[in-house]
Amino acid sequence: DAGITQSPRHKVTETGTPVTLRCHQTENHRYMYWYRQDPGHGLRLIHYSYGVKDTDKGEVSDGYSVSRSKTEDFLLTLESATSSQTSVYFCATIGQPYEQYFGPGTRLTVT
Amino acid sequence: AQSVTQPDIHITVSEGASLELRCNYSYGATPYLFWYVQSPGQGLQLLLKYFSGDTLVQGIKGFEAEFKRSQSSFNLRKPSVHWSDAAEYFCAVGAVLTGGGNKLTFGTGTQLKVEL
Repeated sequence: DAGITQSPRHKVTETGTPVTLRCHQTENHRYMYWYRQDPGHGLRLIHYSYGVKDTDKGEVSDGYSVSRSKTEDFLLTLESATSSQTSVYFCATIGQPYEQYFGPGTRLTVT
Repeated sequence: AQSVTQPDIHITVSEGASLELRCNYSYGATPYLFWYVQSPGQGLQLLLKYFSGDTLVQGIKGFEAEFKRSQSSFNLRKPSVHWSDAAEYFCAVGAVLTGGGNKLTFGTGTQLKVEL
């Protein structure tokens, strides 16, 4: 257990609205990640952070932004939600050596 | 860029039978390889990892995997499957980032069904 919580765990929102998902970790890990999971695609990296205010894009970053103002929190924002962003979102941190630990996930439905 | 292929989308085995899940990777350097398991509605749990050294690695829950560089494979095995092993299994390859992190690329997963 890497002490990762995600909120909310479930959310239904309408197309065009902004949505923010929160990831909180208690282990003081430097690296944090956001993935989305879709059937037939496995997990795909959206954004990651390598420190406070230091972030970089993953392979499916369009339509998403992130922020990390504290070590323990990593926020994922959908600037204007679309139906294609209906997915399960996982946050992860990295322990030693190089092992990623995953949160419980957030199921987002965009109607 | 790295990639992972899991050629089997679904596998069904009988309880007590042996299991092998296939994973092939593409990566330009020495790979860091992982197997994760996901039960329905849950997050991912790390089963085992390979970084270097012995090519046969042992993991939790009685799983093992063998790294074969010549075949670019990292297949997961278990000698006797239990009904509780029914889940989805993901293989991943990691690229090391400066400063101690890594980026994982996942396969599309293999759904394991266990028949009683």
